[in-house]
Amino acid sequence: GNSVTQMEGPVTLSEEAFLTINCTYTATGYPSLFWYVQYPGEGLQLLLKATKADDKGSNKGFEATYRKETTSFHLEKGSVQVSDSAVYFCALSGTDSSYKLIFGSGTRLLVRP
Amino acid sequence: DTAVSQTPKYLVTQMGNDKSIKCEQNLGHDTMYWYKQDSKKFLKIMFSYNNKELIINETVPNRFSPKSPDKAHLNLHINSLELGDSAVYFCASSQVVKGEQYFGPGTRLTVT
Repeated sequence: GNSVTQMEGPVTLSEEAFLTINCTYTATGYPSLFWYVQYPGEGLQLLLKATKADDKGSNKGFEATYRKETTSFHLEKGSVQVSDSAVYFCALSGTDSSYKLIFGSGTRLLVRP
Repeated sequence: DTAVSQTPKYLVTQMGNDKSIKCEQNLGHDTMYWYKQDSKKFLKIMFSYNNKELIINETVPNRFSPKSPDKAHLNLHINSLELGDSAVYFCASSQVVKGEQYFGPGTRLTVT
């Protein structure tokens, strides 16, 4: 079945450091891919998405490229801020008629001043 | 101007009780969802409704029963609560079945 694997956290960085959070997926067909962010005590917010191979999603300085050849959708940011501290979830939409979201296990990011 | 709202935000109850969580969206979306997030932050879909019709029903104990009185509301009723039901429950909605999903703030359920 479809699945998403994320790197385990927590990831601890200093402010202005470069961020990479790895995400790989297994899916039949051609899923859409998403990154969601969950700030402490809040619900999930869509950060970015890509719907087909080689698409690059971007938002708030974060980027991720849909790589079909490596089945990956790694999240990157060139310079993190303390306010980026949160849990980041990679997800894919189901390729069957339900289009349900399948989430990775989440990666906690902690950015220190 | 809240998009997806849930009540209550916190719910503490004893084993064996029956409780409900309510969800409302004012985005005009056709599809709504319930997710469960466990203590390790793992998120799993439970149910999905499209135009008040159940379209996803994952392997969830039948103590959990969703009810959608109209397209803007999806409530979750839980009978005979167990310790393992303690989690954060998130409601979400999307414009169409394939669309991106918008999440509510969550309801933290604690069963003692």
